[in-house]
Amino acid sequence: KAGVTQTPRYLIKTRGQQVTLSCSPISGHRSVSWYQQTPGQGLQFLFEYFSETQRNKGNFPGRFSGRQFSNSRSEMNVSTLELGDSALYLCASSLGSGTDNSPLHFGNGTRLTVT
Amino acid sequence: KNQVEQSPQSLIILEGKNCTLQCNYTVSPFSNLRWYKQDTGRGPVSLTIMTFSENTKSNGRYTATLDADTKQSSLHITASQLSDSASYICVVSLHTGTASKLTFGTGTRLQVTL
Repeated sequence: KAGVTQTPRYLIKTRGQQVTLSCSPISGHRSVSWYQQTPGQGLQFLFEYFSETQRNKGNFPGRFSGRQFSNSRSEMNVSTLELGDSALYLCASSLGSGTDNSPLHFGNGTRLTVT
Repeated sequence: KNQVEQSPQSLIILEGKNCTLQCNYTVSPFSNLRWYKQDTGRGPVSLTIMTFSENTKSNGRYTATLDADTKQSSLHITASQLSDSASYICVVSLHTGTASKLTFGTGTRLQVTL
């Protein structure tokens, strides 16, 4: 069974640009969540989608947005990039969402560098 | 503020030795507690998930314990191997109605040496 796939693996952008990251979940998983990981802050939750609906949102500015398609694939967009947006962006999928105890299956992330 | 604190921040041990990593949390109401292993350059991999009613769970040489009264968890690694070198992240799930929010610790970086 294929794991969670994130593309691209690496990305370099300049300040002010916008970027779109893609995530393909494990087949059959309906929940996709996104995380930002930096050395200083660790992993921080961005948002979660379940069956194309945003279920949860972390404390990030509106420049960070996402969506989920009917095939459960998800995209994350960051507009007006800032230097502080440089981070590893991780996507995770799971069978369920909300109150269950489904383990998260992470992709290997997209390393975004903003110059 | 809901927080998850891990200790130590980093640890170096010899191959074959045991070690214990700590996680203290203030998240409430608590749904479950998870431990993840993250190799450098890779995404985290789930080791264990415990609900508040469970106080121990094992996954091979990894054993997690949970004391919901004191809000403490530990991850014990037995007979360490070089491949155990990684960051170990404690994650606590906050239950809010129909959704849950995850709060992450900043991790313990473990290095296993010869």
